[in-house]
Amino acid sequence: AQTVTQSQPEMSVQEAETVTLSCTYDTSENNYYLFWYKQPPSRQMILVIRQEAYKQQNATENRFSVNFQKAAKSFSLKISDSQLGDTAMYFCAFPEGSQGNLIFGKGTKLSVKP
Amino acid sequence: ETGVTQSPTHLIKTRGQQVTLRCSSQSGHNTVSWYQQALGQGPQFIFQYYREEENGRGNFPPRFSGLQFPNYSSELNVNALELDDSALYLCASSLGGGDTEAFFGQGTRLTVV
Repeated sequence: AQTVTQSQPEMSVQEAETVTLSCTYDTSENNYYLFWYKQPPSRQMILVIRQEAYKQQNATENRFSVNFQKAAKSFSLKISDSQLGDTAMYFCAFPEGSQGNLIFGKGTKLSVKP
Repeated sequence: ETGVTQSPTHLIKTRGQQVTLRCSSQSGHNTVSWYQQALGQGPQFIFQYYREEENGRGNFPPRFSGLQFPNYSSELNVNALELDDSALYLCASSLGGGDTEAFFGQGTRLTVV
């Protein structure tokens, strides 16, 4: 069974600084996708970034980028120029099987301090 | 904001009662998945519906059941509520498959007393 592990329950960062959130996963699949979702206090889960495992190039979306290490099964999220609005829970997620239902990590609570 | 809406936003029920939660999927999406998120935890997959048929189920007992309607909206029903059912219930709609983005609603906060 696939598993997703986020080892940092809480992190904090100063506004405008850079922070990296860690995620490791376990799967026997070779082609798959990985996702980072953000859940602000409003509770609505929002997709931050997506990585395709067969692509060697790390995904980037504006201030958000990933460091994807397929052999190590590691998928970390880097947030550059952190903003107060980045304060949220961040979840790493892996879609399971053909249905694509998501397996989530336990999340990392990120606080951006002014 | 996504096009996925859930109702109600908050709900308090008594142990042993039954509850129905509702979800309107984003336009064009034929797949709806339901997740349970306990306090301080990541969401856990309950089940998925694709074109009105159950298309996968997580490790939840049969008292958790669902429906999907022809317009692809969905319901989650929970019978014989237990205190441990207190959680945030999230609905996500998508086009299905492991490569597509899931769009989440704002969730229903269920408290069982």
